[in-house]
Amino acid sequence: SYELTQPPSVSVSPGQTASITCSGDKLGDKYACWYQQKPGQSPMVVIYQDIKRPSGIPERFSGSNSGNTATLTIRGTQAMDEADYYCQAWDSSTASGVFGGGTKLTVL
Amino acid sequence: QVQLQESGPGLVKPSETLSLTCTVSGGSISSYYWSWIRQPPGKGLEWIGYIYHSGSTNYNPSLKSRVTISVDTSKNQFSLKLYSVTAADTAVYYCARGHIESSGYYADYWGQGTLVTVSS
Repeated sequence: SYELTQPPSVSVSPGQTASITCSGDKLGDKYACWYQQKPGQSPMVVIYQDIKRPSGIPERFSGSNSGNTATLTIRGTQAMDEADYYCQAWDSSTASGVFGGGTKLTVL
Repeated sequence: QVQLQESGPGLVKPSETLSLTCTVSGGSISSYYWSWIRQPPGKGLEWIGYIYHSGSTNYNPSLKSRVTISVDTSKNQFSLKLYSVTAADTAVYYCARGHIESSGYYADYWGQGTLVTVSS
């Protein structure tokens, strides 16, 4: 089955740039999306189809996807961005969704 | 504004069937891929499956033998049944609205989630 790998944790200072990676075999050939989940809340999509931002998501969130790695970048990271982030892709061979294990972003 | 709300028992005995319903308001259940996703306490997300309004379904291969998702368009609801549950099925269960475009899937609206505990 298809697998996505994320680092368990990433730390960033306020105002700096945070990058969270998601690795999978030929992930660049698929569309990746990213969800933000704050404690006690439902996940919320922040990036879909590799680079698109839903309305209401700040411009500081951006995405890229090439080769085997998708990356979520948060520029000018704010304390409110502290959350768990999950990447997700579609495994067309099984027609099923696949999530990465999640990355806890700490803003300190 | 589309809203989703899960409902169902919060406690299920081992070997029994977990049944949840998601009610969609603020929009029609026609179109989109209505999905179930779960999250064991303190762990990551797991995609369970989806149903299209026409009734076509797809399931996570690891759960496929134990899962059925159905839809009732007249009530704007879709449902999940997970059979022969064990403690490993204890999780927060989310329903969500999914999109599949150019072989990419994402979920843009989610319910608040409901915790289902499997215990005798």
